[in-house]
Amino acid sequence: NAGVTQTPKFQVLKTGQSMTLQCAQDMNHEYMSWYRQDPGMGLRLIHYSVGAGITDQGEVPNGYNVSRSTTEDFPLRLLSAAPSQTSVYFCASSGRGQGGYTFGSGTRLTVV
Amino acid sequence: AQSVAQPEDQVNVAEGNPLTVKCTYSVSGNPYLFWYVQYPNRGLQFLLKYITGDNLVKGSYGFEAEFNKSQTSFHLKKPSALVSDSALYFCAVGGGDKIIFGKGTRLHILP
Repeated sequence: NAGVTQTPKFQVLKTGQSMTLQCAQDMNHEYMSWYRQDPGMGLRLIHYSVGAGITDQGEVPNGYNVSRSTTEDFPLRLLSAAPSQTSVYFCASSGRGQGGYTFGSGTRLTVV
Repeated sequence: AQSVAQPEDQVNVAEGNPLTVKCTYSVSGNPYLFWYVQYPNRGLQFLLKYITGDNLVKGSYGFEAEFNKSQTSFHLKKPSALVSDSALYFCAVGGGDKIIFGKGTRLHILP
């Protein structure tokens, strides 16, 4: 049972490049979320999903796209990276009624 | 809109003393409240949650939290701090489908 798996663990991008952060969970959880963590800002919700085919915006959605074609996967896309997107990104999942999220180990992204 | 506030950026406690990390929340309806801990270069680990029932919630590693509806608070407590408790602690509020986090409180336990 792997839990929540995020890839890659580290990534350096140039301004304007695009990339996809991968997130997969093997717990059959309905709910999945993406957060970014910045010093002094805590964790801020980017996008979340309550099931396959359903996504919604969180607190800081600009510059990011998501899709949820399967229950297991919830990729986060940066279409045109900016230095302001330098951060640590966490994916998390939860089962319906469970009330708490399980987090992945994070992706450290640097945009230069 | 739901939100959570952690008024202290850092808390210092001597080993063996009781510790409290403060959290207040704002939410319409009945809140789901959580505490998570983050050790250096690690993801977040779930400590405890309040959904309904007893106002005193017990969690992992000897931590507990007290839900106070009148003061809209959910403070994290431990009777006797350990050096290994030093970490970043996050309070969070949500309804299950999404969770909103506070900015975090760094806890330093001094030997």
